[in-house]
Amino acid sequence: QVQLVQSGAEVQTPGASVKVSCKTSGYTFNTYGLTWVRQVPGQGLEWMGWVAYNGITNYAHKFQGRVTMTTDRSTSTGYLQLRSLTSDDTAVYYCARVSRSKCFDHWGQGTAVTVSS
Amino acid sequence: DIVMTQTPLASAVTLGQPVAISCRSSQSLVHDDGNTYLSWLHQRPGQPPRLLLLEISKRLKGVPDRFTGSGAGTDFTLEISRVEAEDVGLYYCMQATEFPLTFGGGTMVEIK
Repeated sequence: QVQLVQSGAEVQTPGASVKVSCKTSGYTFNTYGLTWVRQVPGQGLEWMGWVAYNGITNYAHKFQGRVTMTTDRSTSTGYLQLRSLTSDDTAVYYCARVSRSKCFDHWGQGTAVTVSS
Repeated sequence: DIVMTQTPLASAVTLGQPVAISCRSSQSLVHDDGNTYLSWLHQRPGQPPRLLLLEISKRLKGVPDRFTGSGAGTDFTLEISRVEAEDVGLYYCMQATEFPLTFGGGTMVEIK
């Protein structure tokens, strides 16, 4: 079965960077895209960007310049790196598989990132 | 950016009764390829979101048929015909027709 397993919770200081991983299994990795969505505590879902099945990335304007999304086809793993963290980046970060219908059909369990001095 | 507006913000429903959630987009979600990339997701407290419907009305495998999506253009509706206890939580619409992808603000469904 399709599974996306994310790395564990992180605590970072302001100005630092964080890198979250998303290990996938149960499907052919390079035929689907991978997206990242975050959820600030008590708020809704916010799309951050995606890596399409062909490797092309598209980032939300808000994060351009400080986000990098990559994939490692050899390990079927996706990565989200976010730099210059502030307290506003405290959130749960989710990865999800992107189908050819541009929907997010399987999700990771989420990774809590706390930014605090 | 396409703004997705959901109403109501919250709905308290009696078990077995129907509920409808509206999602309106600030511009048409019909893509140049003719498809409409509007999906619905459900999030229970403390859980990741789960996809229910894609392309307005197509149920993901395993989603009960009490969930129905309808609409076109800029106006869309998710209906749950007979609410069950497991249906509580937040419901989100999401558009993937145009970058950046955007979500509605969410609708909370609770049991009376």
